Amino acid sequence: KAGVTQTPRYLIKTRGQQVTLSCSPISGHRSVSWYQQTPGQGLQFLFEYFSETQRNKGNFPGRFSGRQFSNSRSEMNVSTLELGDSALYLCASSSQRDHGYTFGSGTRLTVV
Amino acid sequence: GQQLNQSPQSMFIQEGEDVSMNCTSSSIFNTWLWYKQDPGEGPVLLIALYKAGELTSNGRLTAQFGITRKDSFLNISASIPSDVGIYFCMYSGGGADGLTFGKGTHLIIQP
Repeated sequence: KAGVTQTPRYLIKTRGQQVTLSCSPISGHRSVSWYQQTPGQGLQFLFEYFSETQRNKGNFPGRFSGRQFSNSRSEMNVSTLELGDSALYLCASSSQRDHGYTFGSGTRLTVV
Repeated sequence: GQQLNQSPQSMFIQEGEDVSMNCTSSSIFNTWLWYKQDPGEGPVLLIALYKAGELTSNGRLTAQFGITRKDSFLNISASIPSDVGIYFCMYSGGGADGLTFGKGTHLIIQP
């Protein structure tokens, strides 16, 4: 059974650019959530999607957005990148909330 | 959002020692999840707890859901080099909380 796949693994962008990250959940999982991990702030929740609908949203600015497709794959987009957006972005999928989430290996985004 | 206090922040131990870490919350939780993250990888679920007082083991790992439902601990017995990593406690809620993580416990094993 394939795990959660995130692409790309590494990305370098320039300030002001935008970026799109992709997450393919475990087959059959309909919930996909996104997190930002930095040394200073730890793991912070961005948003969660279930059956193409955003179910929850964390306290991040509107530059961070996401969507989920009918096959449960999800993308997150960050516009007008800032240096502080440099982080490891993780997605996780679950078949049912509170029953454990499986994480991908993450996308390491560096903004220069 | 909810507050999760995880301690200690880091632990430097000798191989073979037992390890204990804990998390406390400002609110009552229905689920505690413990994860481990290796460098360059995403967190991996170790143990899930669903009932107050529940004690669950997974090999050398043991975790308990506190009676007050506001705390949980994770113990690792007879530590080995592959136990090195960051351990997170986590709870799952709704709204802006989503999945809330503790700040993590960095486990370092000295040879």
